[in-house]
Amino acid sequence: DIQLTQSPSFLSASVGDRVTITCRASQDISVYLAWYQQKPGKAPKLLIYAASTLQGGVPSRFSGSASGTEFTLTISSLQPEDFATYYCEQVNSYPHSFGPGTKLESK
Amino acid sequence: EVQLVESGGGLIQPGGSLRLSCVASGFTVSRYYMSWVRQAPGKGLEWVSVIYRGGHTEYGDSVKGRFTISRDTSKNTLYLQMDSLRAEDTALYYCARDREGSDIWGQGTMVTVSS
Repeated sequence: DIQLTQSPSFLSASVGDRVTITCRASQDISVYLAWYQQKPGKAPKLLIYAASTLQGGVPSRFSGSASGTEFTLTISSLQPEDFATYYCEQVNSYPHSFGPGTKLESK
Repeated sequence: EVQLVESGGGLIQPGGSLRLSCVASGFTVSRYYMSWVRQAPGKGLEWVSVIYRGGHTEYGDSVKGRFTISRDTSKNTLYLQMDSLRAEDTALYYCARDREGSDIWGQGTMVTVSS
């Protein structure tokens, strides 16, 4: 089974900051990685799929990239509504797996 | 409106069984891969199971042999039959439409396994 790690686990940032979250896969998953945002008491929301394709309706300040087995989610200019927990998910093969999450908090 | 609505959660004793339902509207369940994902209180997301368009199923190691995913096309509904429940199955269970990532999620139904 494929394992995902995320770094950092916690991130403190301010509105306007550029933020980057990293997800690493234990083996090659091509570009089959998705990113989600989850706010307390809510279901996850798909932000990016296929490593870098923005889901419809997601602001363009969110972007994703891939290099080998390392994937990054970048928020170019943090907005107040972006404070949440972010998860990556590999969708290359079943069983799918999620990263442990990155909690983005206000500094 | 495209949406998923789960139901069937509750408090159940260890060793018991429960069946979760997920009613879809705005799209046809059988035309998509459909998944169950769970989240223990205060914890991260855990992928549980998927049913392919063709009916093939896959399970996570932690539920294999105990949980069964199925669907009823006439009711446009996804199910998760959960048997031999354990305390560690306590979680909020989400159903989701599975594409290259899950683009539609329900609100979740809570399952608590406790004596």
